[in-house]
Amino acid sequence: AQSVSQHNHHVILSEAASLELGCNYSYGGTVNLFWYVQYPGQHLQLLLKYFSGDPLVKGIKGFEAEFIKSKFSFNLRKPSVQWSDTAEYFCAVLEGGFQKLVFGTGTRLLVSP
Amino acid sequence: DAGVIQSPRHEVTEMGQEVTLRCKPISGHNSLFWYRQTMMRGLELLIYFNNNVPIDDSGMPEDRFSAKMPNASFSTLKIQPSEPRDSAVYFCASSHGSENTGELFFGEGSRLTVL
Repeated sequence: AQSVSQHNHHVILSEAASLELGCNYSYGGTVNLFWYVQYPGQHLQLLLKYFSGDPLVKGIKGFEAEFIKSKFSFNLRKPSVQWSDTAEYFCAVLEGGFQKLVFGTGTRLLVSP
Repeated sequence: DAGVIQSPRHEVTEMGQEVTLRCKPISGHNSLFWYRQTMMRGLELLIYFNNNVPIDDSGMPEDRFSAKMPNASFSTLKIQPSEPRDSAVYFCASSHGSENTGELFFGEGSRLTVL
């Protein structure tokens, strides 16, 4: 079964710093990839998704992610973070032919003003 | 539109007691998912339903856990008897369509503490 690794468990940045959160999934084949975000006290919500086509996908609030098939990676980026980006970020993979959306363990991002 | 509604938001109970968590999916969504979130294990899929039928319950920890979806607008997750290691946040999510597209709409979660 698929598994998802998020290597950074906690990240602390100052406002305006650039962000890159790593995400790797365990093996190839057809996959759909997602980033979800959970703001403090709120429910998880979809940030962006990759199904096919352009491997660089753009989501809400200036976030983007790049799918690199050869590296089994789907890293999340933002050129300049804001205090309001403080949240927990989850990478997830939906394996083709299966119905399970498997999440990584999450990365807690703290942006200091 | 109302999102996914879960109740209770917080539950504190003693070991051995029965716990019932409830979920109302978004109207028109025909897939429903129960996830458990803990610090150690992150988000784990417990079970999911499609058109009220359980499709995969391989994530249910053990027989103490059971889930039902008697109709398209209601689901329950029951733990009987509860144990301290069941303490977690339980999320319900729903999605549209007969196949899981991965685009889930989550409720705000039920935080369970078992003493």
